[in-house]
Amino acid sequence: QVQLVQSGAEVKKPGASVKVSCKASGYTFTSYGISWVRQAPGQGLEWMGWISAYNGDTNYAQKLQGRVTMTTDTSTSTAYMELRSLRSDDTAVYYCARYPRDYGDYHFDYWGQGTLVTVSS
Amino acid sequence: QSALTQPPSASGSPGQSVTISCTGTSSDVGGYNYVSWYQQHPGKAPKLMIYEVSKRPSGVPDRFSGSKSGNTASLTVSGLQAEDEADYYCSSYAGSNNFVFGTGTKVTVL
Repeated sequence: QVQLVQSGAEVKKPGASVKVSCKASGYTFTSYGISWVRQAPGQGLEWMGWISAYNGDTNYAQKLQGRVTMTTDTSTSTAYMELRSLRSDDTAVYYCARYPRDYGDYHFDYWGQGTLVTVSS
Repeated sequence: QSALTQPPSASGSPGQSVTISCTGTSSDVGGYNYVSWYQQHPGKAPKLMIYEVSKRPSGVPDRFSGSKSGNTASLTVSGLQAEDEADYYCSSYAGSNNFVFGTGTKVTVL
């Protein structure tokens, strides 16, 4: 069965960086993309960007350009999302989700359990 | 990219139907048949309920249906059940591997 298992909660100070991992299993990792979506406390979902696990192509949401980097390690079927220069409004639950783009599907069919990142001085 | 517009709340009694709208623009909802809907229970990850406007993934009850007209997509939940009480989010492809989510709708089963 498809599973995406994310790393644990993080507490960071403003200005620091955080790197969240998402380990995939139950499917061929390089045949799908991974998107990252975040949700601030009590707020809606916000799409952050996408990475191809096949060739590393990325596309980031405009508002995060310059602060976010998404990478993959195909040897361990793990995707990573690094966010730099953290601010208090980056406090959110961060989700990874499988994106079957290479199959012509433009949605997110499986999701990780979420990782809470708290930014506080 | 602005969030798609959804009503903040919707409600219905058990067995009734509820319809949630999702309004975007010709650059997202109106431009592509790639609208999807996600159900999120409190403290849980979102779950895909509808994709490509009206298709249901395996395992999703046929009480859930989707449609689209112009720049507005809709999700209908028929035969409401207690477990349908959750937040619902629409999402649309917006071209060049960009996506946008809706503002979210809290569905209450009375």
